[in-house]
Amino acid sequence: NAGVTQTPKFHILKIGQSMTLQCTQDMNHNYMYWYRQDPGMGLKLIYYSVGAGITDKGEVPNGYNVSRSTTEDFPLRLELAAPSQTSVYFCASTWDSSGNTIYFGEGSWLTVV
Amino acid sequence: AQSVTQPDIHITVSEGASLELRCNYSYGATPYLFWYVQSPGQGLQLLLKYFSGDTLVQGIKGFEAEFKRSQSSFNLRKPSVHWSDAAEYFCAVAGTGGGNKLTFGTGTQLKVEL
Repeated sequence: NAGVTQTPKFHILKIGQSMTLQCTQDMNHNYMYWYRQDPGMGLKLIYYSVGAGITDKGEVPNGYNVSRSTTEDFPLRLELAAPSQTSVYFCASTWDSSGNTIYFGEGSWLTVV
Repeated sequence: AQSVTQPDIHITVSEGASLELRCNYSYGATPYLFWYVQSPGQGLQLLLKYFSGDTLVQGIKGFEAEFKRSQSSFNLRKPSVHWSDAAEYFCAVAGTGGGNKLTFGTGTQLKVEL
């Protein structure tokens, strides 16, 4: 059971570069999320999607973009990376909005230098 | 807007002692409430969740939590802590609509002394 898979696990990015964090789930979940975790700050929602072709902003969307062309995949794009985007990124998924368990990937550690 | 407060940033307990981690939430209606645990370098694992019904919820690894509407609290408890329980614990709240988005507290780091 793969669950929610994120790649890469670790990455160092230079200021101004762009990259995509990949997320895929094999549970046929409709809802998918991207969170970032900063020390002492808990997790903050970046973007979420309630189904293929539908995305919406979370609490901290600036500097990021997402797309959801398939049910399985929900990539997060960082454009013009800044040091403030140094963080741990978590992808998550769940069935729907009925409070079902949200499953998390193992995280992607990103450093912007 | 929904919010979660975990007032204790760090807690240290001795192995075998009881544990209570505090969580207070703010939400206009009955929320969905969750406790997640995160070991170093790992993702988040669900310990337990509350939707409705019995206010005392049992979870994995011997954890339980009690929903108290009058106090807007959802404290996590364990009668006897094991060294392997050392981790960071997050309380979270989800609204009943609008994408099931979780709002997390800032977490409580648990240290277990042998």
